[in-house]
Amino acid sequence: GAVVSQHPSRVICKSGTSVKIECRSLDFQATTMFWYRQFPKQSLMLMATSNEGSKATYEQGVEKDKFLINHASLTLSTLTVTSAHPEDSSFYICSARDETYEQYFGPGTRLTVT
Amino acid sequence: AQSVTQPDIHITVSEGASLELRCNYSYGATPYLFWYVQSPGQGLQLLLKYFSGDTLVQGIKGFEAEFKRSQSSFNLRKPSVHWSDAAEYFCAVGANTDKLIFGTGTRLQVFP
Repeated sequence: GAVVSQHPSRVICKSGTSVKIECRSLDFQATTMFWYRQFPKQSLMLMATSNEGSKATYEQGVEKDKFLINHASLTLSTLTVTSAHPEDSSFYICSARDETYEQYFGPGTRLTVT
Repeated sequence: AQSVTQPDIHITVSEGASLELRCNYSYGATPYLFWYVQSPGQGLQLLLKYFSGDTLVQGIKGFEAEFKRSQSSFNLRKPSVHWSDAAEYFCAVGANTDKLIFGTGTRLQVFP
């Protein structure tokens, strides 16, 4: 089946720094990718929809200047958490949609901001 | 408001026993319904989905789910659980396959 990878799987950074998370579709092309955030014991919350070659669409309440999304190719989308603070600590999950409109999820990235 | 409720946070069953995981939703239109499984270190994997047609849906790994419009439910079932089924299970709903609303998940533990 289709595989989506994320890198890194875990990252610890200091408050005020920026962190980039990569999401790759390994064996298919994805014009659309999605970024989710998952808090402990809570559901996945959609943050934004990333479309190749165009600006991302952010969900209500998500700061687009804090969570920068770039979808420069059909197999790669990146999420950059800018000026990270401890409240940004979370589990970030991406998914990629194939031509059948099914979403394939990455394994997630655990971000800890100290 | 659109929402998904998974009432059971944690379920424990014995290997070989039957399983039912509950999912209730609140949605304005006829929804697309999904069940995903998440194992540690792995991405969510689609077990099954319902768009229309037969309300009893068969999925992978021996799972099935039944859409009951009158009860706004989409419960997941398996007749005989295997130890490898231990994982986190998420129910999700959406207007299509894109903007999904997820439940909080049910953690399944399987005892030998």
